[in-house]
Amino acid sequence: LAKTTQPISMDSYEGQEVNITCSHNNIATNDYITWYQQFPSQGPRFIIQGYKTKVTNEVASLFIPADRKSSTLSLPRVSLSDTAVYYCLVGDIRAGGGNKLTFGTGTQLKVEL
Amino acid sequence: DSGVTQTPKHLITATGQRVTLRCSPRSGDLSVYWYQQSLDQGLQFLIQYYNGEERAKGNILERFSAQQFPDLHSELNLSSLELGDSALYFCASSPKSETLSSYEQYFGPGTRLTVT
Repeated sequence: LAKTTQPISMDSYEGQEVNITCSHNNIATNDYITWYQQFPSQGPRFIIQGYKTKVTNEVASLFIPADRKSSTLSLPRVSLSDTAVYYCLVGDIRAGGGNKLTFGTGTQLKVEL
Repeated sequence: DSGVTQTPKHLITATGQRVTLRCSPRSGDLSVYWYQQSLDQGLQFLIQYYNGEERAKGNILERFSAQQFPDLHSELNLSSLELGDSALYFCASSPKSETLSSYEQYFGPGTRLTVT
């Protein structure tokens, strides 16, 4: 499982776009990048997953540069309810590695008025 | 709502006791995962079942065991409980394919276990 590095915390204000970057220098060819969100005392929630370039869904966008050594989760126009911990995970989803899912400390995002 | 259900929501018990936590995966999901999250710690993977069979073990103590039944629901049994076992226990399930998108897991609301 590739090691990932994220900022411990980030602060933002309502209505702003938030970009959380994750570094994964030793990402392997078959690895995918997955992001989860977790609110206090709740289970993590799958946000988005991608392999290269850009992936967008109704919640977020995931930007992955050509070298894939980092990725950026972009949350458009955040609100107070986006205050949560965000986790970046990297691994080969095709190898049945879901059982090796390792949640690190993540990034604590705090959104204020 | 992820579609994964867990019961009970809260459980308070004494040291030395045994408890059973129950999980029903999303409809159609064959994989079930169990995680433990203690205060100030990240999620720790405990064990995975796929279509009734144990697939992988993580940091699961010998006092803990699990199984997945033919209807795909799963139970996590915790015995000889210690104070340190107090934690949130999450169950997650993933889509049908054994390999594809196994990082796309859907977590239940968790069971908060308090051992006194």
